[in-house]
Amino acid sequence: EAQVTQNPRYLITVTGKKLTVTCSQNMNHEYMSWYRQDPGLGLRQIYYSMNVEVTDKGDVPEGYKVSRKEKRNFPLILESPSPNQTSLYFCASSPLSGTLEAFFGQGTRLTVV
Amino acid sequence: GQQLNQSPQSMFIQEGEDVSMNCTSSSIFNTWLWYKQEPGEGPVLLIALYKAGELTSNGRLTAQFGITRKDSFLNISASIPSDVGIYFCARGAQKLVFGQGTRLTINP
Repeated sequence: EAQVTQNPRYLITVTGKKLTVTCSQNMNHEYMSWYRQDPGLGLRQIYYSMNVEVTDKGDVPEGYKVSRKEKRNFPLILESPSPNQTSLYFCASSPLSGTLEAFFGQGTRLTVV
Repeated sequence: GQQLNQSPQSMFIQEGEDVSMNCTSSSIFNTWLWYKQEPGEGPVLLIALYKAGELTSNGRLTAQFGITRKDSFLNISASIPSDVGIYFCARGAQKLVFGQGTRLTINP
């Protein structure tokens, strides 16, 4: 089954404690990205990657890091989380040609206290 | 940045009613997309529009790409309980820019 898998689904952490949210896709898509969803703001792109070892900032990159060492994985790293990073996070992947449809993971609800 | 203005922000309707929502932008786009997000899930693509004036249906859903390329509409006919969720318009291909969403609630 074609899917994007994020882990964990829920996470409560404390300010300053480094964390990683993993994302994996099994569709051999070149393009992967991270979004955060906040009430009234829709989804906003944090970082994206066009292919292995190629990453770039989205609209709200501050406080986040990513890496793309393998095509299927695109982890999101918060080196020093702060309460304003409390949000619902989605990973997505899509091909660079063809239908271009983006497939989303089920989301990670992060709370930073 | 390029923003999409989606309205209404929320809708409370009776089962069986038709629904209309729209999205506008100050910029011209080549692609309009409509996604639906159900509770506890990620967004799922409903309809993609690629040409100005294009009218596309997916079951009871119909979406149109405005002639000016600055707006799009989504209609749902004869709503049913499983239509509940948040509907997002979006532009672009891989790098999606989303509207704020329309939360649809249906009273049986």
